[in-house]
Amino acid sequence: DAGVIQSPRHEVTEMGQEVTLRCKPISGHDYLFWYRQTMMRGLELLIYFNNNVPIDDSGMPEDRFSAKMPNASFSTLKIQPSEPRDSAVYFCASRKGQPNEKLFFGSGTQLSVL
Amino acid sequence: SQQGEEDPQALSIQEGENATMNCSYKTSINNLQWYRQNSGRGLVHLILIRSNEREKHSGRLRVTLDTSKKSSSLLITASRAADTASYFCALSDSWGKLQFGAGTQVVVTP
Repeated sequence: DAGVIQSPRHEVTEMGQEVTLRCKPISGHDYLFWYRQTMMRGLELLIYFNNNVPIDDSGMPEDRFSAKMPNASFSTLKIQPSEPRDSAVYFCASRKGQPNEKLFFGSGTQLSVL
Repeated sequence: SQQGEEDPQALSIQEGENATMNCSYKTSINNLQWYRQNSGRGLVHLILIRSNEREKHSGRLRVTLDTSKKSSSLLITASRAADTASYFCALSDSWGKLQFGAGTQVVVTP
């Protein structure tokens, strides 16, 4: 299996622009997580899905952030409009089944908002 | 928020030495996991310990869990330069929500 695939690997955009980050989980995995990593805040859980349904989005910072999972093999995290403080590395991770299973992480998307 | 607090924040050792880092938390957990992150990469799972377990081993890794003290430790024995990375503990509740601590940055010098 190719692992969790995220795109793009790097994204540079200007303040006010819409940004869409993409994630393809490992086939057969039914949990998908979005995290954001910064030096100041560390790794923050933004939202996670089970069987394509959002379970907990309490970590989504503002209404500017939205996440969808239209099917089992694809998820997006959208920021509209983007702001410089959104600059971070965004990770997607997936897991199969119960809580006592490990997460598999993608390589992340390095987002820079100028 | 169910996040662990790691200690120390940074650790510098020489090859062959052991590295120990700790994770403390405040709420009940379903399991506790340790992950490693090399610079510029995603996190990689190292080991998982369930709330009813006290100790687990995996190769040169040893993890302990003391639920009465709400703490865990990760020991890396006979460290190598390749062990240089950041190490994170992650707490899982019964619903599978997994939240990470701030991490311990480990540098192993040859």
